[in-house]
Amino acid sequence: QVQLQQWGAGLVKPSETLSLTCAVSGGSLNGYYWTWIRQPPGRAPEWIAEIIPGGRPNYVPSLKSRLTMSFDTSNNQFSLQLTSVTAADSAVYYCAGWYMSRFDPWGQGTLVTVSS
Amino acid sequence: QSALTQPHSVSGSPGQSVTISCTGSNDDVGGYNYVSWYQQYPDSAPKLIVTSVNKRPSGVPDRFSGSKSGSTASLTISGLQAEDEADYYCCSYAGSSRYLFGSGTKVTVL
Repeated sequence: QVQLQQWGAGLVKPSETLSLTCAVSGGSLNGYYWTWIRQPPGRAPEWIAEIIPGGRPNYVPSLKSRLTMSFDTSNNQFSLQLTSVTAADSAVYYCAGWYMSRFDPWGQGTLVTVSS
Repeated sequence: QSALTQPHSVSGSPGQSVTISCTGSNDDVGGYNYVSWYQQYPDSAPKLIVTSVNKRPSGVPDRFSGSKSGSTASLTISGLQAEDEADYYCCSYAGSSRYLFGSGTKVTVL
């Protein structure tokens, strides 16, 4: 059974960079697209980025200029960086695997608050 | 990208059935059988309950069922139980590495 464990800073100052990492373990990892999804408080989830190991990342157009996603195959981890954050970027950020038409599994989520 | 449209809330008494709609377009819900549904409790990650329009992952009770007609997908909860009180989100693949979530529906068990 594939499992995800994520970590990263929960408080980021405006204009600085948000950084998150997600570790993948267990089961067969073949065929997964690894993704980041964020959910502002009280709102719906929003897919923001995906990558397949060895491939190029894809980003939601509205954030493309500020996002960087990478996959470390040696450690089975993937990371997300979002630059120049504002209060609008405050949300719970989840890592998740997309496989055969669904997002499953999910990480536990990281609440990121952008505040000085 | 616009979210898929869901009713803000639905409610029902224990044992009753409720249905949540998820309306998109021919570019997403209507164009792919990649519709999934997620249940979310407060302060928890979403949990997959339906995949590929109408398939239940192992361990999900059979009172949860999914369907699709045109550009509208639906989730039905039959035999509503107190533990079903949660937020529910639909999600559809929309082509070209785009994934759209629904606006979310709060299910209340009366």
